[in-house]
Amino acid sequence: QVQLQESGPGLVKPSETLSLTCTVSGGSISSYYWSWIRQPPGKGLEWIAYIFYSGNTKYSPSLKSRVTISVDTSKNQFSLNLSSVTAADTAIYYCASGGSYHDYWGQGTLVTVSS
Amino acid sequence: QSVLSQPPSASGTPGQMFTISCSGSSSNIGSNYVYWYQQLPGTAPKLLIYRNNQRPSGVPDRFSGSKSGTSASLAISGLRSEDEADYYCATSDDSLSGEEVFGGGTKVTVL
Repeated sequence: QVQLQESGPGLVKPSETLSLTCTVSGGSISSYYWSWIRQPPGKGLEWIAYIFYSGNTKYSPSLKSRVTISVDTSKNQFSLNLSSVTAADTAIYYCASGGSYHDYWGQGTLVTVSS
Repeated sequence: QSVLSQPPSASGTPGQMFTISCSGSSSNIGSNYVYWYQQLPGTAPKLLIYRNNQRPSGVPDRFSGSKSGTSASLAISGLRSEDEADYYCATSDDSLSGEEVFGGGTKVTVL
């Protein structure tokens, strides 16, 4: 059974960069797509980006200028960087398997943007 | 504002046949597969339906999906108290470079 676990700071200051890592266990990160999805408190889901294990990426057009997703196959991890954050980026951030749909999800991590 | 339209809330009684709608356009639902997720309170979403009408292993056959034109539906036959959750439809949108888009979600209450 594939399991995903997000890790990273729960509090980020405005204008700084949000950095999260997702560790995949119970399966190899290779040969599949991996995604980041977020959910502002009390609101709906928003897809951020996905990456193929080889490094091919796709980003949400609305976030593309601020987002970088990367993969480290040696550690079975993939990561998210979101720059120049504002309060609007406060959300639960989920990592998930798959590009077009997501059959495994992490438990999510709340990231608050505040000074 | 979501590209896909879902009713924000719905309620039903135990045992009832229940349907949630998801409305889109020719660039998203009309030309791509639809997926459905169930999000129980305080938990991560769970894949309920993939490729319009396929159920992952472990999902009860009480849940079924369908698609017609630019709309899709999730049906729950025999509503149960444990079905009280938020439900999201999702697909890709060809007018947004294939971006994945979600509906706004429907909060289902079992009376």
